Amino acid sequence: EVQLVESGGGLVQPGRSLRLSCAASGFTFDDYAMHWVRQAPGKGLEWVSGISWNSGSIGYADSVKGRFTISRDNAKNSLYLQMNSLRAEDTALYYCATGYSSGWYPNWGQGTLVTVSS
Amino acid sequence: NFMLTQPHSVSESPGKTVTISCTRSSGSIASNYVQWYQQRPGSAPTTVIYEDNQRPSGVPDRFSGSIDSSSNSASLTISGLKTEDEADYYCQSYDSSNHGVFGGGTKLTVL
Repeated sequence: EVQLVESGGGLVQPGRSLRLSCAASGFTFDDYAMHWVRQAPGKGLEWVSGISWNSGSIGYADSVKGRFTISRDNAKNSLYLQMNSLRAEDTALYYCATGYSSGWYPNWGQGTLVTVSS
Repeated sequence: NFMLTQPHSVSESPGKTVTISCTRSSGSIASNYVQWYQQRPGSAPTTVIYEDNQRPSGVPDRFSGSIDSSSNSASLTISGLKTEDEADYYCQSYDSSNHGVFGGGTKLTVL
């Protein structure tokens, strides 16, 4: 069974940093691209960042470019999101998801909540 | 970059059929696959349609997807509505840089 478990969320002050992790199991991790998708409270889904299976291709939404860094460790079956210079508008539930080449995100974790507030 | 526009909300009665649209702002809807996700309150999204019109195993055939090049839109149709179908539905595609693009979501009420 595919499992994606996010961790690392919490309350952080504006301007500070946070690192999210996503532990994957139940599938061959390095066969798939991975993505981070977020959802602000009461709002819709927003794609944040994606990384190819070998980290050779990485992309970011304009809203986080230059502040967030995605990475993965295939040996540890883990995905990461380093978030710097956090803003109030980054407050959201952050999901990690697997990615197919067709653009489909078939598997999602349950999310980790990031709250940016003073 | 393009946007995907969905109606904010739709409502229909149990047993009826409802269609949710997803219109692409620029570029052809047929250029990149469209997915549809269902999200119930407090839960992560799950797929009801992928690659325009494919249903994952376990999704009933009451759910169907299509694309229409003339209106540059994708549609999710749910027939034989059940109260359990009440949820938020999101369309999703991707751009030429493989960046994901989500529609704003449609709240389906089954009353």
